[in-house]
Amino acid sequence: AQSVTQLDSQVPVFEEAPVELRCNYSSSVSVYLFWYVQYPNQGLQLLLKYLSGSTLVKGINGFEAEFNKSQTSFHLRKPSVHISDTAEYFCAVSADGGSQGNLIFGKGTKLSVKP
Amino acid sequence: NAGVTQTPKFRVLKTGQSMTLLCAQDMNHEYMYWYRQDPGMGLRLIHYSVGEGTTAKGEVPDGYNVSRLKKQNFLLGLESAAPSQTSVYFCASNRGYNEQFFGPGTRLTVL
Repeated sequence: AQSVTQLDSQVPVFEEAPVELRCNYSSSVSVYLFWYVQYPNQGLQLLLKYLSGSTLVKGINGFEAEFNKSQTSFHLRKPSVHISDTAEYFCAVSADGGSQGNLIFGKGTKLSVKP
Repeated sequence: NAGVTQTPKFRVLKTGQSMTLLCAQDMNHEYMYWYRQDPGMGLRLIHYSVGEGTTAKGEVPDGYNVSRLKKQNFLLGLESAAPSQTSVYFCASNRGYNEQFFGPGTRLTVL
């Protein structure tokens, strides 16, 4: 069965600094990978996804992630964060190789950007 | 397009009361999902549906029932609410292997 581990529950960072949010997964089959963002009191919004092809994926708001099959990781990065990036970020992996659309979510990482 | 909508946005129940949460999507998606979100727990799948008239159990199905009588609607029912069901509930939909689209959530408190 698939699982997702987000290694940091909270990440504080100063504005304009770079940030990396870590995500590792376990799966015995091919996976699809996703990062979602949740702003306070809102639903989840897709940041980026990896389905196939290039392992470096660019998303919205200047975020990018790299799929590393050998390390089973899909870390999220941004070179310079803004106050508005303060939110909770969730990594997700397709269950069952994506055959039924189910996703397995990590427990989330709260990014706090300070001025 | 409205995307995924959820009704109601907030609800307070007393222990033992029942209620139904409604999820609607206008994207003609086959798959629909109900999650609950609790602090530090991420999103946990309650039930899901792979098409009209079908439902299946997720990770935490106990105490909940669902129905998918129409393709665009997915209902989540609590027959006898318990304080442990205090949570934020999210509905989502997709076409299968691709990304899920989420509704704005329903915040439920059970006293």
